[in-house]
Amino acid sequence: GENVEQHPSTLSVQEGDSAVIKCTYSDSASNYFPWYKQELGKGPQLIIDIRSNVGEKKDQRIAVTLNKTAKHFSLHITETQPEDSAVYFCAAGKGSSMNTGFQKLVFGTGTRLLVSP
Amino acid sequence: DSGVTQTPKHLITATGQRVTLRCSPRSGDLSVYWYQQSLDQGLQFLIQYYNGEERAKGNILERFSAQQFPDLHSELNLSSLELGDSALYFCASTPGRDLSSYGYTFGSGTRLTVV
Repeated sequence: GENVEQHPSTLSVQEGDSAVIKCTYSDSASNYFPWYKQELGKGPQLIIDIRSNVGEKKDQRIAVTLNKTAKHFSLHITETQPEDSAVYFCAAGKGSSMNTGFQKLVFGTGTRLLVSP
Repeated sequence: DSGVTQTPKHLITATGQRVTLRCSPRSGDLSVYWYQQSLDQGLQFLIQYYNGEERAKGNILERFSAQQFPDLHSELNLSSLELGDSALYFCASTPGRDLSSYGYTFGSGTRLTVV
């Protein structure tokens, strides 16, 4: 089955710096790679996702890159702010046929990001 | 509010007891997924239901069971509880049939404490 590894487990940056979180996956059939942000006491919230037919996607200060050959994908946060402090999870999954519905996502172990003012 | 409702938010119970966690998916979503998040751990997949039918199983213990009802809400039943079952339990939903939208929408979770 799919296995997702995520690094680093913790990341401390100064406000305004960039932060990069990296993930690798094992199943070459995976075609959907979302990133979730989990704040204390809340459920994970989707912040950006990428599908295997694109190599990069950007949304304001957040970008995700995908290297299908190497089976890794990364989250880039620029101009970090204290409110970016949270746990970030990457995940990998496979879209499925309409008969079976979407197959489960496999999550990385999370990265605790701390942005200091 | 994500649109996925989980109740109760907190639950404290004794070892050996049985509890039921409830999840109402986002309106229109057919798939429901249950995940367990232990302290400082990632999200471990337990089970998926799609339109009332079990679709996939993960690392779900035999003491745990789930079902999805005709109105699409789901319940996760945990029995013979042990201290190690203390965790956050999340429910997520997806449209299922909509291949253009794969993203999970998570509920806010149920924090289970077994004492």
